Amino acid sequence: DVVMTQSPLSLPVTLGQPASISCRSSQSLVHSDGNTYLNWFQQRPGQSPRRLIYKVSNRDSGVPDRFSGSGSGTDFTLQISRVEAEDVGVYYCMQRTHWPLTFGGGTKVEIK
Amino acid sequence: QVQLVESGGGLVKPGGSLRLSCAASGFSFSDSYMGWIRQAPGKGLEWVSHIGFSGSTIYYADSVKGRFTISRDNARNSLYLQMNSLRADDTAVYYCAAGRSLVYWGQGTPVTVSS
Repeated sequence: DVVMTQSPLSLPVTLGQPASISCRSSQSLVHSDGNTYLNWFQQRPGQSPRRLIYKVSNRDSGVPDRFSGSGSGTDFTLQISRVEAEDVGVYYCMQRTHWPLTFGGGTKVEIK
Repeated sequence: QVQLVESGGGLVKPGGSLRLSCAASGFSFSDSYMGWIRQAPGKGLEWVSHIGFSGSTIYYADSVKGRFTISRDNARNSLYLQMNSLRADDTAVYYCAAGRSLVYWGQGTPVTVSS
């Protein structure tokens, strides 16, 4: 199985400041079709997860442009350009290039 | 708009069974892979199972293989998860999600396995 490793575990951020979350996979996430199926999800307290980013860098509809995804191969990053109060929650990366689907352990974003 | 509504969760004794359902609307259900993801209390997300468009392609996590059965009814826009031989470590909120990339999620249904 592909192991997804996120860091940091916890990320205290000042409002208006940037934040960055790292996600590394134990093997390449490049699919045989040429796509890289790495997604990012946000789970606000008490809510279901919500997909933010798919295929590394594509924002879902309604996702603010302060969220961006980047990376390739085995090394990926989610960046929030200016953290807002509504961004508090846990963020997960997930790969669906290889079965079984696997998630990172999560990064908790909180306001300092 | 898109809706995924899970039901069927509850309290069950170890070794017991439950059947979860997920009613979908607002998107092309029959053209979508569908899956179940669970989250144990205070823990992260764990993929459980996925089913292809017609139901002929199915994947399971090792932790549930042989005990859980995923199925779908495209005429009813519904997804199911039959859970047998339940154990304490199956206790979690179970979410249904649309697509292999989990584009849409339901609100979840809690399952508690305890004597």
